[in-house]
Amino acid sequence: DQQVKQNSPSLSVQEGRISILNCDYTNSMFDYFLWYKKYPAEGPTFLISISSIKDKNEDGRFTVFLNKSAKHLSLHIVPSQPGDSAVYFCAASHSGTYKYIFGTGTRLKVLA
Amino acid sequence: DAGVIQSPRHEVTEMGQEVTLRCKPISGHNSLFWYRQTMMRGLELLIYFNNNVPIDDSGMPEDRFSAKMPNASFSTLKIQPSEPRDSAVYFCASRNQEGSYNEQFFGPGTRLTVL
Repeated sequence: DQQVKQNSPSLSVQEGRISILNCDYTNSMFDYFLWYKKYPAEGPTFLISISSIKDKNEDGRFTVFLNKSAKHLSLHIVPSQPGDSAVYFCAASHSGTYKYIFGTGTRLKVLA
Repeated sequence: DAGVIQSPRHEVTEMGQEVTLRCKPISGHNSLFWYRQTMMRGLELLIYFNNNVPIDDSGMPEDRFSAKMPNASFSTLKIQPSEPRDSAVYFCASRNQEGSYNEQFFGPGTRLTVL
């Protein structure tokens, strides 16, 4: 049973436009959410996170939105750059615990 | 800082052989995680250590899989005997529970192919 779902395996966006990556979760106990970015032949690296007490967190070109009632979060990248082309993993956790539950990832391709 | 180090980076073996994957966590980190990445299931947590002690191995798929952490700077994940369905990328990650809140730092992974 996949508790964290990324239903879009891939996404293509033109350079300079907005990229929106989506993630849904089923467990209402999750209260901390993260996005990791992964380039080929490298390990995932932390990108941005959000606590359930917030509905938005922004870091430069990256913004994560959380809709608790819908159990949905999204990552917005504006403007998208070719260097953003990577696989993005959504993860969820209970605060103070060790366990991340990852989604299956979305491959983003930003076209120059 | 060298980051999390994993070896080998690539491993090709034949079905039935023993495979050992190695990990050196970031110095000072007291939590270590082993993950497996597949297309179908994404990143799955296999086992987690805290202060060298296995805390949760519920993600280990079968008895063929075992993991050890003999000291704070080294861990192994062993598959014996290996099967073709074990082919995947295996990641090790470490975390300082007293540092950045909940962030895990991943190694570059070991790509395992079992023929």
